[in-house]
Amino acid sequence: EIVLTQSPGTLSLSPGERATLSCRASQSVSSTYLAWYQQKPGQAPRLLIYGASSRSTGIPDRFSGSGSGTDFTLTISRLEPEDFAVYYCQQYGGSPFTFGPGTKVDIK
Amino acid sequence: EVQLVESGGVVVQPGGSLRLSCAASGFTFDDYAMHWVRQAPGKGLEWVSLISWDGGSTYYADSVKGRFTISRDNSKNSLFLQMNSLRTEDTALYYCAKGGYYDILTGYYNWGQGTLVTVSS
Repeated sequence: EIVLTQSPGTLSLSPGERATLSCRASQSVSSTYLAWYQQKPGQAPRLLIYGASSRSTGIPDRFSGSGSGTDFTLTISRLEPEDFAVYYCQQYGGSPFTFGPGTKVDIK
Repeated sequence: EVQLVESGGVVVQPGGSLRLSCAASGFTFDDYAMHWVRQAPGKGLEWVSLISWDGGSTYYADSVKGRFTISRDNSKNSLFLQMNSLRTEDTALYYCAKGGYYDILTGYYNWGQGTLVTVSS
């Protein structure tokens, strides 16, 4: 099983600042099979990024993904008020399709 | 518009059984793989199970293997999760999620709002 570790656990930032979230895998993950999701309180998760760097439909271009092998990054270039949420990475290259524990981005 | 509506979540005693359902609309159901993902209260996401578009292939997390069974009825645009031998650690909000078009290796583009399963005596 591929274990995903996300850091930091919590990121406290102000609107307009840049957010950099990390996802590290216990073994190499093909970049084809790495996704990022956003979840707000009381809501279902929303797919932001698939294939490590492709934005899902309707996702603003302030969200970008990068990385390969065991190290992946989600960057939010300028935080908007609606971006404060929990972010999960997921690998879906094979069963079990594991999620990371999440990074909470909250308002400083 | 894609809609996924889960149902069947209730309070059940440890050792009990439950069947969750997910009614799908707004897309050609039998073209897509489907998943169940759960989230314990205040915790992160945990993938539970996957079924291929034709029901011919199924996959499970180790934590539920041998106890849960995923199935689908393409004639009724419905996904199911039969849950047996329930444990307190199965308490969670259960989401169904739409997978890929004839592809089991994709992200989840659409999610339902979830149905709450509570396992407690």
